[in-house]
Amino acid sequence: DTEVTQTPKHLVMGMTNKKSLKCEQHMGHRAMYWYKQKAKKPPELMFVYSYEKLSINESVPSRFSPECPNSSLLNLHLHALQPEDSALYLCASSQVKVAGGPGELFFGEGSRLTVL
Amino acid sequence: GEDVEQSLFLSVREGDSSVINCTYTDSSSTYLYWYKQEPGAGLQLLTYIFSNMDMKQDQRLTVLLNKKDKHLSLRIADTQTGDSAIYFCAAPYSSASKIIFGSGTRLSIRP
Repeated sequence: DTEVTQTPKHLVMGMTNKKSLKCEQHMGHRAMYWYKQKAKKPPELMFVYSYEKLSINESVPSRFSPECPNSSLLNLHLHALQPEDSALYLCASSQVKVAGGPGELFFGEGSRLTVL
Repeated sequence: GEDVEQSLFLSVREGDSSVINCTYTDSSSTYLYWYKQEPGAGLQLLTYIFSNMDMKQDQRLTVLLNKKDKHLSLRIADTQTGDSAIYFCAAPYSSASKIIFGSGTRLSIRP
């Protein structure tokens, strides 16, 4: 199984709503990532979990709250978002390499979020 | 920090070769990656090259690495309409668990 599965594929929410994006992988990867991608732009890193612990937070606003309940699951909790947060949210996973940085990333198809 | 740059657009005729270029700044990058993104989809790893290699070939794909100039290229031989996509060059940020993406090159194929 070489898939990273993200749900939902599409999400429309109001600025007062609370919602969550979910990501699952069964490749035994111990690093998981959230990226945000705006139209015609490259993915921008938001969070990295390594061995289920948050290792990188790229100064993301607190209205985005990540959670890694176990080695296969990664969630992104959303609350009080703004219209400019509308984007494609990509989850990825990789092996944690001993030296030389991360292994290659395996991406999900993304969750397309629209904030009204 | 790491900075990865690419040209934004490339148009080639079907059947010709496509060459997509990338420059990076962090000389300690151990791996360099090429990802492909089709419309409305996530990113798919195409190939990668280890920094001690100059070239890697994988079917229609050839990756060339010039470490001295910090220049990476992806050549797609016999370009087909299915190759239309955005291609991202990516490099790890030195000693950190993150990968930085270039701006992406949109490849379009003309008949």
